[in-house]
Amino acid sequence: DAKTTQPPSMDCAEGRAANLPCNHSTISGNEYVYWYRQIHSQGPQYIIHGLKNNETNEMASLIITEDRKSSTLILPHATLRDTAVYYCIVRVAENNAGNMLTFGGGTRLMVKP
Amino acid sequence: DAGVTQSPTHLIKTRGQQVTLRCSPKSGHDTVSWYQQALGQGPQFIFQYYEEEERQRGNFPDRFSGHQFPNYSSELNVNALLLGDSALYLCASSILGRYEQYFGPGTRLTVT
Repeated sequence: DAKTTQPPSMDCAEGRAANLPCNHSTISGNEYVYWYRQIHSQGPQYIIHGLKNNETNEMASLIITEDRKSSTLILPHATLRDTAVYYCIVRVAENNAGNMLTFGGGTRLMVKP
Repeated sequence: DAGVTQSPTHLIKTRGQQVTLRCSPKSGHDTVSWYQQALGQGPQFIFQYYEEEERQRGNFPDRFSGHQFPNYSSELNVNALLLGDSALYLCASSILGRYEQYFGPGTRLTVT
């Protein structure tokens, strides 16, 4: 599995966009980028995933560079409830042999009023 | 539609004891995975069950075992508890092979 690198922490002002970077320079052609977040004392929550095209859903947008070596998760209007640890994970999309997730340290996002 | 549920919420055990944690997956999901999360760290994969069989296992000793029932619910058993087993135990359900996993709130186990 490709290794990911994320900054350990970031701050964001409430109402502003939060841009969380992730480096995955060894990503393979069939590996997707997945993002999860974990709010304090809760289980991780799936946010979004993508292969090479930018993706958007009701929670966030995912921007993947053309060379696919890095990506950015964007929370367009961060709220205090978005304060959490955000994990970037790279895996093939489906694997019937098992789909374990390997969590790194993640980025601790603090949204401030 | 109920999400993933886990029981109990909190548990305190003594070293050497055995514990059983329970998980009910999200409706429509057939695969259950278990993760251990120590304080301040990311979740670590323990094992995964599908069709009542263990399909994949992480780097955990045999003291950790599991079971999946015909209704897809699952149990995690830990024998001979150590102080280092104190952690948040997370259950995640999914459809076979897909990485979009849905996590429960976890069971906080404290070993004294």
